[in-house]
Amino acid sequence: GQNIDQPTEMTATEGAIVQINCTYQTSGFNGLFWYQQHAGEAPTFLSYNVLDGLEEKGRFSSFLSRSKGYSYLLLKELQMKDSASYLCAVGDAGNNRKLIWGLGTSLAVNP
Amino acid sequence: GAVVSQHPSRVICKSGTSVKIECRSLDFQATTMFWYRQFPKQSLMLMATSNEGSKATYEQGVEKDKFLINHASLTLSTLTVTSAHPEDSSFYICSAQPTDRVIYEQYFGPGTRLTVT
Repeated sequence: GQNIDQPTEMTATEGAIVQINCTYQTSGFNGLFWYQQHAGEAPTFLSYNVLDGLEEKGRFSSFLSRSKGYSYLLLKELQMKDSASYLCAVGDAGNNRKLIWGLGTSLAVNP
Repeated sequence: GAVVSQHPSRVICKSGTSVKIECRSLDFQATTMFWYRQFPKQSLMLMATSNEGSKATYEQGVEKDKFLINHASLTLSTLTVTSAHPEDSSFYICSAQPTDRVIYEQYFGPGTRLTVT
């Protein structure tokens, strides 16, 4: 089956660093994606990893280990506006070009 | 770049009527678009995959006669909720996948909040 796990909720303090983990067990793999979704809004694309290693994009970085079925999203210098849900998704194998979605991690950034 | 629009953003309709939602990729072509629905505080639920020029592929449990999808061009897909009922009230979100990309990233429209009274 297809399974993506990430913590349901996390809290962190403004200015700190937080790491959101994602583990996956899927029948195929076409990239690992991270999206941010603020309450009442649609998701916005943050990053993707296809190869193992760390991809850095400003305050956000994403890491992938395909052999372990593991990824994390690292958010540095947290700001209040980073309070949102963070969705991990895996590109499905085959020709359907779908993403398989985790349930999301709700991050609350406190002052 | 990679902007997706969705219209209307909010709609209220009476039970038994039909509602059409449009999804447009504004600055790229999208052979493939996706339709999702999302209930409050829940994750995205994929309803169907829309491919330009061919029939949509529906996920298990989604009624294709109730949720009609048309992908008539490389920049436009529409979702029509037919004979809407209060239980169809939800947040409907479309996404588009750039045709020229190998990677499967999707760009989302802002969503349509449907309320059926």
